[in-house]
Amino acid sequence: AQKVTQAQTEISVVEKEDVTLDCVYETRDTTYYLFWYKQPPSGELVFLIRRNSFDEQNEISGRYSWNFQKSTSSFNFTITASQVVDSAVYFCALSEENSGYALNFGKGTSLLVTP
Amino acid sequence: KAGVTQTPRYLIKTRGQQVTLSCSPISGHRSVSWYQQTPGQGLQFLFEYFSETQRNKGNFPGRFSGRQFSNSRSEMNVSTLELGDSALYLCASSLEGRSGYTFGSGTRLTVV
Repeated sequence: AQKVTQAQTEISVVEKEDVTLDCVYETRDTTYYLFWYKQPPSGELVFLIRRNSFDEQNEISGRYSWNFQKSTSSFNFTITASQVVDSAVYFCALSEENSGYALNFGKGTSLLVTP
Repeated sequence: KAGVTQTPRYLIKTRGQQVTLSCSPISGHRSVSWYQQTPGQGLQFLFEYFSETQRNKGNFPGRFSGRQFSNSRSEMNVSTLELGDSALYLCASSLEGRSGYTFGSGTRLTVV
């Protein structure tokens, strides 16, 4: 069963629009971590953020913000004022104590930002 | 500080052959994990090595194996290659698994 669901397969926006990428996860562990990674066409996975299960505080970093809600098992990612350079595939991942902290990735959301 | 280095970047092999991929982690990182990325299955965990010992293993056949050396460099081996092994193989290094992972650029393996 898929533990991390990214329902949006592809999103296309025009530059300067805000865009939210959804992530829903499933776990029975009380200790777990959530991640977002960005994969540009070059292939390398670029780390964006890590959140642990005990810290529900939302975070803002420049144009990026993350909304972690344990009540709905969601960890959504918003890009404000999108830019063409934001075009990439974005992955949400879950790391559980029960699984030795291996990353369990969602299928990814392909974001295309056009000028 | 140098990032995670994977070699080679591209590889073409024939069915039935074996292949070895290499990964040099960030200096000081003792954990090295391997992931396979395919269009159909997405990103899947292969295994993790920590201080030269396999600490965790994903759900892959025994044809996939790995090892880690005393300098934390890791190699991954796939024997008796199948067409379905064509994928991007990504290596990730970490101080300690839960602390976050830094990925390399990957090795793109094509089996023909």
